[in-house]
Amino acid sequence: AQKITQTQPGMFVQEKEAVTLDCTYDTSDQSYGLFWYKQPSSGEMIFLIYQGSYDEQNATEGRYSLNFQKARKSANLVISASQLGDSAMYFCAMREANDRGSTLGRLYFGRGTQLTVWP
Amino acid sequence: DTEVTQTPKHLVMGMTNKKSLKCEQHMGHRAMYWYKQKAKKPPELMFVYSYEKLSINESVPSRFSPECPNSSLLNLHLHALQPEDSALYLCASSQEILGMNTGELFFGEGSRLTVL
Repeated sequence: AQKITQTQPGMFVQEKEAVTLDCTYDTSDQSYGLFWYKQPSSGEMIFLIYQGSYDEQNATEGRYSLNFQKARKSANLVISASQLGDSAMYFCAMREANDRGSTLGRLYFGRGTQLTVWP
Repeated sequence: DTEVTQTPKHLVMGMTNKKSLKCEQHMGHRAMYWYKQKAKKPPELMFVYSYEKLSINESVPSRFSPECPNSSLLNLHLHALQPEDSALYLCASSQEILGMNTGELFFGEGSRLTVL
């Protein structure tokens, strides 16, 4: 079974509007971390925001916020006041704390959502 | 600007060539990674180094040979590659304390490899 599911291959939003990118995850661990990365056409994976499974408050970083609904196993990314530079591929990822007894580097990525911001 | 530097940014090689991809970070991270990413797909983990020792090899073919000469450098040696190995190769690093990954992965801009 896929550990991370992003059901939106593509999303379109007008500049200055807010947009929500969906992410659901599958894990039986109690301790895990959820990440969102942005990948522009240049290729670099840019870290945006992190939510720990024990964090009670939703994570926020500037215009990015994470709508964390633990019971539903969802970690949607909300981008407020979209900008043209937000156009990129967005990946949701999860790290499980108990994966082979180590957390090293094993990020499970979703298939990504291609966001296009239009003027 | 990314704090993980990868060279070269673009590489074209024939199937009989030997080449290397290089990655450098100066954040003091002791975990470093190679990921492979095909177009329109998520990155796939290839190798993980922890304190300069190979800790994870995701059953990668031996034509890919990683090397970690010191805590700041990570190489990926390429030999006898196939056209299907053409992809974006991403290097990443992260903090590690006692075997636990303590933060996000910092990625470089990647090396776009084309195998003819």
